[in-house]
Amino acid sequence: QKEVEQDPGPLSVPEGAIVSLNCTYSNSAFQYFMWYRQYSRKGPELLMYTYSSGNKEDGRFTAQVDKSSKYISLFIRDSQPSDSATYLCALGGTSGSRLTFGEGTQLTVNP
Amino acid sequence: EPEVTQTPSHQVTQMGQEVILRCVPISNHLYFYWYRQILGQKVEFLVSFYNNEISEKSEIFDDQFSVERPDGSNFTLKIRSTKLEDSAMYFCASNRDLYGYTFGSGTRLTVV
Repeated sequence: QKEVEQDPGPLSVPEGAIVSLNCTYSNSAFQYFMWYRQYSRKGPELLMYTYSSGNKEDGRFTAQVDKSSKYISLFIRDSQPSDSATYLCALGGTSGSRLTFGEGTQLTVNP
Repeated sequence: EPEVTQTPSHQVTQMGQEVILRCVPISNHLYFYWYRQILGQKVEFLVSFYNNEISEKSEIFDDQFSVERPDGSNFTLKIRSTKLEDSAMYFCASNRDLYGYTFGSGTRLTVV
């Protein structure tokens, strides 16, 4: 079983749609959960960070963590064409530890 | 906003040659990392560096790889004898605490 699983998509939605991106994980040692956005041939850009179960909101983005189910989500409200990118979940254990990434979900928001 | 800077953005090298990829992490960060991403695949951890020594390395980080922090600002990844399968995007990252895990824009390494 992979440590982190993420549906690679591709996912195509119309502008204004609510987007749901998800990852599951198997290792209970993961303590913090991040979502990165990556444009083609660029570095991952941190979008959201959380370490506890529950929801965290930042503008149009909401990160959700359910540690009991080992399931994390990113919701994008009122999606825009500029949101078109690959979204990566990344999980870590402590401050200086490695991040384990999902495969990334390729999202296209159509005008 | 502080950035992690990587140079060069693209490097082409012949198989068997040595390459050095350079990074300038964010100045007050304490932990430094290298990751790689082969085209179409996931981002993979290579090595982490703290307090002037390697704190963790993956199975990918074999004897052909080495890292150095030669001064207070630079952080380098050396690949001693490049192979075709080393072709990938290499990302440097740094952080000080859980919130600030920041990646650079990457160096695209092409081995021919």
